[in-house]
Amino acid sequence: QVQLVESGGGVVQPGRSLRPSCAASGFTFSNYGMHWVRQAPGKGLEWVAVIWYDGSYENYADSVKGRFTISRDNSKNTLYLQMNSLRVEDTAVYYCARDLGRGVLLFDLWGQGTLVTVSS
Amino acid sequence: QLVLTQSPSASASLGASIKLTCTLSAGHSSYPIAWHQQQPGKGPRYLLYLNGDDTHTKGDGIPDRFSGSSSGAERYLTISSLQSEDEADYYCQTWVTGLVVFGGGTKVTVL
Repeated sequence: QVQLVESGGGVVQPGRSLRPSCAASGFTFSNYGMHWVRQAPGKGLEWVAVIWYDGSYENYADSVKGRFTISRDNSKNTLYLQMNSLRVEDTAVYYCARDLGRGVLLFDLWGQGTLVTVSS
Repeated sequence: QLVLTQSPSASASLGASIKLTCTLSAGHSSYPIAWHQQQPGKGPRYLLYLNGDDTHTKGDGIPDRFSGSSSGAERYLTISSLQSEDEADYYCQTWVTGLVVFGGGTKVTVL
């Protein structure tokens, strides 16, 4: 079954860190670019970060640049998001998503999301 | 700057058709986009992607009721024979040089 399953969300205080992960199955993970997208309560979708299929390229939204790091382990079919210096405004459901590959950054597979709450 | 513009809301009666619009900003009229559906309380689901030449490719298991089309800088999602489960938020999405962009979303209400 082709799927993405996120885990590792939770409640954390401002300034602390968290590292959600995304487990892929049912497809050749190492062939695809992967992304993190977030959705604050009652808001729309906001793209967070991308990593190329082989990990050779990363890019970030300005709102998280310098604080978040995307990474992947193709031997474990797993995507990660290291979130440092968390702020209250980072509170959101975090989704991982797969793109079409070959440099086409349109998403064709989504996970179910993991909730990150930043609160004192 | 690449921007995708969507109307905040749309409504139609059960069994009717509805056409949603996503408009690409000036200078980006040839860009492909994807449409995603988000039902209440759920994660997004990929529906289809649209090239600027009016061809489109649907995701696995997406009903024939969903179709896409293009005209200039506008990309459309048409839902025919509206069902109650089609009541959801619909987002368009594209990218440029390693940055992904979403439209603000359209909330569809089935009357």
